[in-house]
Amino acid sequence: DGGITQSPKYLFRKEGQNVTLSCEQNLNHDAMYWYRQDPGQGLRLIYYSQIVNDFQKGDIAEGYSVSREKKESFPLTVTSAQKNPTAFYLCASGIGTGVSQPQHFGDGTRLSIL
Amino acid sequence: AQSVSQHNHHVILSEAASLELGCNYSYGGTVNLFWYVQYPGQHLQLLLKYFSGDPLVKGIKGFEAEFIKSKFSFNLRKPSVQWSDTAEYFCAVSTLNSGGYQKVTFGIGTKLQVIP
Repeated sequence: DGGITQSPKYLFRKEGQNVTLSCEQNLNHDAMYWYRQDPGQGLRLIYYSQIVNDFQKGDIAEGYSVSREKKESFPLTVTSAQKNPTAFYLCASGIGTGVSQPQHFGDGTRLSIL
Repeated sequence: AQSVSQHNHHVILSEAASLELGCNYSYGGTVNLFWYVQYPGQHLQLLLKYFSGDPLVKGIKGFEAEFIKSKFSFNLRKPSVQWSDTAEYFCAVSTLNSGGYQKVTFGIGTKLQVIP
């Protein structure tokens, strides 16, 4: 079955440490997205990518970095500059052409600080 | 910049009651609108979508939503809720930015609890 795979499901970070969240899709979608979900704040866009080797900052990109070297992969690095990284992170993908395409979501990664 | 407001953060209903969840957006251009649902322990999934045409759209499980352009609203409705509708519901709007990228913005979500 086609879908989006996020790993790991749970991740712990020490102070000052960078961690990378994995997102892989086999839907042949061009567009991929990272969202952060906090209680009472819904989903906020971190980064998005419409095509390989290109990505755009979302609304809360500070303290995060991404790469898009392959169509099926869009890893998110939470750097030590992100002072409040504890959250639930969702990866999504979409066909990406035009405005009209909705997104498919992974099951998420919950990041906590040790 | 686009934004989405969901006014009801937590709704509690008895089974068979009617449901209406409010969603308003702010954006002056062409938008596409979505409602997503997240059942307990499951990932987000699309409930229904509006792209163009008939402003009353029907989705899965008896849900519908009406796009009222003059009010910038896209409220979700269901005539009679069931216990299995207990979930969190997110309204979302997508637009094209100046670079031709699709940007999707979500509301903060509404938690619906249906009491048997």
